[in-house]
Amino acid sequence: GAVVSQHPSWVICKSGTSVKIECRSLDFQATTMFWYRQFPKQSLMLMATSNEGSKATYEQGVEKDKFLINHASLTLSTLTVTSAHPEDSSFYICSARPRTSTYNEQFFGPGTRLTVL
Amino acid sequence: EDQVTQSPEALRLQEGESSSLNCSYTVSGLRGLFWYRQDPGKGPEFLFTLYSAGEEKEKERLKATLTKKESFLHITAPKPEDSATYLCAVQTSGTYKYIFGTGTRLKVLA
Repeated sequence: GAVVSQHPSWVICKSGTSVKIECRSLDFQATTMFWYRQFPKQSLMLMATSNEGSKATYEQGVEKDKFLINHASLTLSTLTVTSAHPEDSSFYICSARPRTSTYNEQFFGPGTRLTVL
Repeated sequence: EDQVTQSPEALRLQEGESSSLNCSYTVSGLRGLFWYRQDPGKGPEFLFTLYSAGEEKEKERLKATLTKKESFLHITAPKPEDSATYLCAVQTSGTYKYIFGTGTRLKVLA
């Protein structure tokens, strides 16, 4: 149980294009989903918190117009990197907190490797 | 300011050589402390949740403990397949967000 998927697992795009990453909770409903980015040999950095049906809350320093987050249902959140540039190349990971959980843990997706040329 | 620090940064063990990883935290109010394992190029895999000082959790060769200031992840008789980065995350009162530590890269040699 508590499986989270991400699609695509990797993507290569040209500078200036937009890329959408999907995060799905496969066997549970998630009230809250989180988006992180991770640079090589570094820990996870929280980008934003996404609640179903409401606007995402972005961490300080994260451009909300650059990283568009949509949480349209209790099982799907999307991250769109708009007008991507090489500095946006990174490993993007989502997580989800089960709606009915009596605990507070997050379950993570496998990550999406974005490379911007 | 809330902070989470993990040590050591990297650890090399011989197979069967038990050791402990440390996660120290300074937060205004602890809601929970979480341990994850992350393999290269993959998302973190959930291991344990600890909520109060004195609590312990075990899973196979891993045992997590919690005090008011730190948590330990004890690895007993590790095997090469235990090689991974172990991440500690803290949740503070009033939020479900995580504050992650920088992780400990564990390498177990056969």
